[in-house]
Amino acid sequence: EPEVTQTPSHQVTQMGQEVILRCVPISNHLYFYWYRQILGQKVEFLVSFYNNEISEKSEIFDDQFSVERPDGSNFTLKIRSTKLEDSAMYFCASSGQGFHEQYFGPGTRLTVT
Amino acid sequence: AQSVTQLGSHVSVSEGALVLLRCNYSSSVPPYLFWYVQYPNQGLQLLLKYTTGATLVKGINGFEAEFKKSETSFHLTKPSAHMSDAAEYFCAVSPSNTGNQFYFGTGTSLTVIP
Repeated sequence: EPEVTQTPSHQVTQMGQEVILRCVPISNHLYFYWYRQILGQKVEFLVSFYNNEISEKSEIFDDQFSVERPDGSNFTLKIRSTKLEDSAMYFCASSGQGFHEQYFGPGTRLTVT
Repeated sequence: AQSVTQLGSHVSVSEGALVLLRCNYSSSVPPYLFWYVQYPNQGLQLLLKYTTGATLVKGINGFEAEFKKSETSFHLTKPSAHMSDAAEYFCAVSPSNTGNQFYFGTGTSLTVIP
């Protein structure tokens, strides 16, 4: 069964460093998303991406964040200068033509020290 | 604005007992509704969804949920709990007129007691 994959599973970085979280969505999907979950809190939407551009983003997704689909398979989330409060689980998701059903990856746990 | 409330961050049931996980939402338009399950160290797996049509929807692993518009609820049930049902359960809402982003509840951790 096709699935969304994410690497790495756990990333530890120092405050101020740049991190790139990687995702491989399901191959025939067209819509891509990033969500995050701070420990003990709800899953929050960050951004959606379609046709090589951002289609929607939340207030969380400020200038420190960017997304890219550098090739036909990967979808990345970059945080330019990490803060302690960026520590969270980051989930990638993708959906097909009927975008109501989103398929999630296993997440990347980001720890900023 | 959309929001999702899951009553009970932790629910414990005995094996074989009824599972009831509650979800209420607020939405200015009829939403699409979802339940996801997360097993330890895994991603979010879709259990079931309601978009249109029959308000009682059946999902995987014997779970079902009923959309009650008058109560703005989408509670998840399973007649008989199994040990393998122990996981974190998330209710999510997507506005039907815009689609795209999901709004999640805070999750309910289900423990099944042997």
